[in-house]
Amino acid sequence: DAGITQSPRHKVTETGTPVTLRCHQTENHRYMYWYRQDPGHGLRLIHYSYGVKDTDKGEVSDGYSVSRSKTEDFLLTLESATSSQTSVYFCAISERADGMGGYTFGSGTRLTVV
Amino acid sequence: AQKITQTQPGMFVQEKEAVTLDCTYDTSDPSYGLFWYKQPSSGEMIFLIYQGSYDQQNATEGRYSLNFQKARKSANLVISASQLGDSAMYFCAMRDATDSWGKFQFGAGTQVVVTP
Repeated sequence: DAGITQSPRHKVTETGTPVTLRCHQTENHRYMYWYRQDPGHGLRLIHYSYGVKDTDKGEVSDGYSVSRSKTEDFLLTLESATSSQTSVYFCAISERADGMGGYTFGSGTRLTVV
Repeated sequence: AQKITQTQPGMFVQEKEAVTLDCTYDTSDPSYGLFWYKQPSSGEMIFLIYQGSYDQQNATEGRYSLNFQKARKSANLVISASQLGDSAMYFCAMRDATDSWGKFQFGAGTQVVVTP
């Protein structure tokens, strides 16, 4: 069974509404990340976490906030969704932070803001 | 600043042929890791292969090999004997050892279509 799950898998929301995406892991990994995927840009980092209540911004953090109150859960919130936030969102986890460790990805959340 | 460059937005390859996907990177850190991921149309991200900056030999995983040219900062993925199931988006990624939080940088991706 998957060690990382994202919910919801798909969501359509209206401009201006708040949206929260959830990432849940069962691997007890310290490091968790939120990326967005857009054509021509690959994956870009939104926010990341290196422990409970320890989070920081990535390169495209404007309009997003995160919370991590438990090791297993990393929440991404769009406070007031805009059409530019229509994207596929991936959560990733990692046991280590050095150059050797890779990511395990969630299945992604496809978010459409209308 | 963009650290990973994939110059091929899309490629067609015939079944059973080999294909090389280009990836160049930029870092001043002597210790880093290079990764390739595959994303089929179903959307999941699948890890393919890893190369460490201090590894003396090119990494191989089945039909996948990584042509690592450190001086040129190049980490091309070679897929041998292409199969229809290899049709997917492929991402090159890098992780610097000096990044305390293990953040990855991804390239824009290369879309590969394998034809019969």
